[in-house]
Amino acid sequence: DVKVTQSSRYLVKRTGEKVFLECVQDMDHENMFWYRQDPGLGLRLIYFSYDVKMKEKGDIPEGYSVSREKKERFSLILESASTNQTSMYLCASSLSTSGGYNEQFFGPGTRLTVL
Amino acid sequence: AQKITQTQPGMFVQEKEAVTLDCTYDTSDPSYGLFWYKQPSSGEMIFLIYQGSYDQQNATEGRYSLNFQKARKSANLVISASQLGDSAMYFCAMREVNTGFQKLVFGTGTRLLVSP
Repeated sequence: DVKVTQSSRYLVKRTGEKVFLECVQDMDHENMFWYRQDPGLGLRLIYFSYDVKMKEKGDIPEGYSVSREKKERFSLILESASTNQTSMYLCASSLSTSGGYNEQFFGPGTRLTVL
Repeated sequence: AQKITQTQPGMFVQEKEAVTLDCTYDTSDPSYGLFWYKQPSSGEMIFLIYQGSYDQQNATEGRYSLNFQKARKSANLVISASQLGDSAMYFCAMREVNTGFQKLVFGTGTRLLVSP
């Protein structure tokens, strides 16, 4: 079974703190993704990575950075957390084969609250 | 520009009845894939069904089927014989093959409530 794990289910941080969200997948997937989910807005892509040390901006990268030093691990970093980054963060991974069908497998999510 | 539109914020259905969740999309890429995911209250996203733009038949997976109308750019999810456990958020998503990188664009979701 594909498994995507995230370091925390719930996290509470203070404004200005540096926050690390960790994601690990165990299926040797090339692609990894970070989304945030907000009510009424669906899932929005923050960053994704298609290989180790490679990253691409998604639709809402401002205020975030990422790191992928190992294939199985993709970290999302909030350099200086702000209250508008309070959200549910979802990590996903997928294979990189060509063609249309490659489902993304999701982690359980991290609900981050910034006070 | 939003590429996936789910116009139903919430839907109600009685147990054992069928329900259709709407999804329309917009793309100029002739090659694309459409996905439906379920998100129960626990938060994890569960893949349900996939439809490729060149697939001749509508996709089916157990009680889930996808009503794919290419000319109308719609990919509605049909759940037959609803069960209480189907109560969840449902997201439609699209991948444009030629953009590469396997990116998905999601709709805003539909919350389905199944009543006894």
